[in-house]
Amino acid sequence: SYELTQPLSVSVALGQTARITCGGNNIGSKNVHWYQQKPGQAPVLVIYRDSNRPSGIPERFSGSNSGNTATLTISRAQAGDEADYYCQVWDSSTEVFGTGTKVTVL
Amino acid sequence: EVQLVQSGAEVKKPGESLRISCKGSGYSFTSYWISWVRQMPGKGLEWMGRIDPSDSYTNYSPSFQGHVTISADKSISTAYLQWSSLKASDTAMYYCARLSHGDYEDYWGQGTLVTVSS
Repeated sequence: SYELTQPLSVSVALGQTARITCGGNNIGSKNVHWYQQKPGQAPVLVIYRDSNRPSGIPERFSGSNSGNTATLTISRAQAGDEADYYCQVWDSSTEVFGTGTKVTVL
Repeated sequence: EVQLVQSGAEVKKPGESLRISCKGSGYSFTSYWISWVRQMPGKGLEWMGRIDPSDSYTNYSPSFQGHVTISADKSISTAYLQWSSLKASDTAMYYCARLSHGDYEDYWGQGTLVTVSS
């Protein structure tokens, strides 16, 4: 089965840039989506199809995807960006989520 | 406004059956698949399966095939997730979500916490 690997945690200083990676075999050939989940809340879509932002998501969130790695970038990180982040793809009619990354804003 | 409203928390004993629900509103319910996602305590997201409410066609993750049943009643814009015999390991938060373009979940329910304990 297809696997998506994310770092367990990423720390970023307030106002700086955080990059969260999502590794998978030839992931660049797939559409990658990203979700933010704050404690006690349902996930929220922050990036779809590699690099598109849903309405209401700040421009500080951006995405890219190439080769074996997709990346979610959070620019000018704010305290409110502290959350778990999950990447997601489809493989053989099965949806696959990444292992999740906890982002801490220092 | 698109909304998915899930049924309330459940506490069950091992071996009991259960059906939880997810009611959609603010959009054409039959135009979008519904996914179900499990999140065990302190763990990540796991996709369980999806249903096309227009014809009730389902597609399950191999990890959940045979363990749960996904269904829908389009007349009342509601999708369901059910178990015939719960186990302690089914204790988790369960989310339904609208699947946009068959590709990503753009709206999520608030979650239903299922606790299975003797």
